[in-house]
Amino acid sequence: NAGVTQTPKFQVLKTGQSMTLQCAQDMNHEYMSWYRQDPGMGLRLIHYSVGAGITDQGEVPNGYNVSRSTTEDFPLRLLSAAPSQTSVYFCASSYRNPPGEQFFGPGTRLTVL
Amino acid sequence: QQQVKQSPQSLIVQKGGISIINCAYENTAFDYFPWYQQFPGKGPALLIAIRPDVSEKKEGRFTISFNKSAKQFSLHIMDSQPGDSATYFCAASREYGGSQGNLIFGKGTKLSVKP
Repeated sequence: NAGVTQTPKFQVLKTGQSMTLQCAQDMNHEYMSWYRQDPGMGLRLIHYSVGAGITDQGEVPNGYNVSRSTTEDFPLRLLSAAPSQTSVYFCASSYRNPPGEQFFGPGTRLTVL
Repeated sequence: QQQVKQSPQSLIVQKGGISIINCAYENTAFDYFPWYQQFPGKGPALLIAIRPDVSEKKEGRFTISFNKSAKQFSLHIMDSQPGDSATYFCAASREYGGSQGNLIFGKGTKLSVKP
């Protein structure tokens, strides 16, 4: 099993550009989530999904969209990037909902200029 | 906003010493308290977790102590080693309860173990 994979590993955007961060898991997990990690702020939940076709907002959803068309994939879309979205983004998955143990991907480091 | 407060922000311990990280929570409905360990450039990984039906859980050199009445829990790392140097996050959630099943993370503690 590859576990949770994320692409790209690094990305630089200009203000106003859009992009999609990819996340995939091969563990047949129901629950998937996106977090952002900023220095001194811990991990904050952006969006989550409890199964294919079902998504909901977390603590900091503004400026981000998600969809869950398959069990395996959970992409995160930045609609119009802003410098405040400079962060490290982690995707995570869990066998069940509620999540219990979450398995995290390696992260995407995003810089918005 | 439900919060989990974690302290200290950073911690330096000598090899062989005991590392202690503390967390406090507000929501009395929380019933699942994990600790995650994160090495630089990597995603967090579950280290150990506790549920409130026990006051302590030990796995090797890592122990969680849980005080339900004080709404506090802590991570103790015995015989700390340089390889334990990482950032540690406490978290809390409801094990059954819809969106309250989402983990709420503390802000993290950067542990450095000096040889």
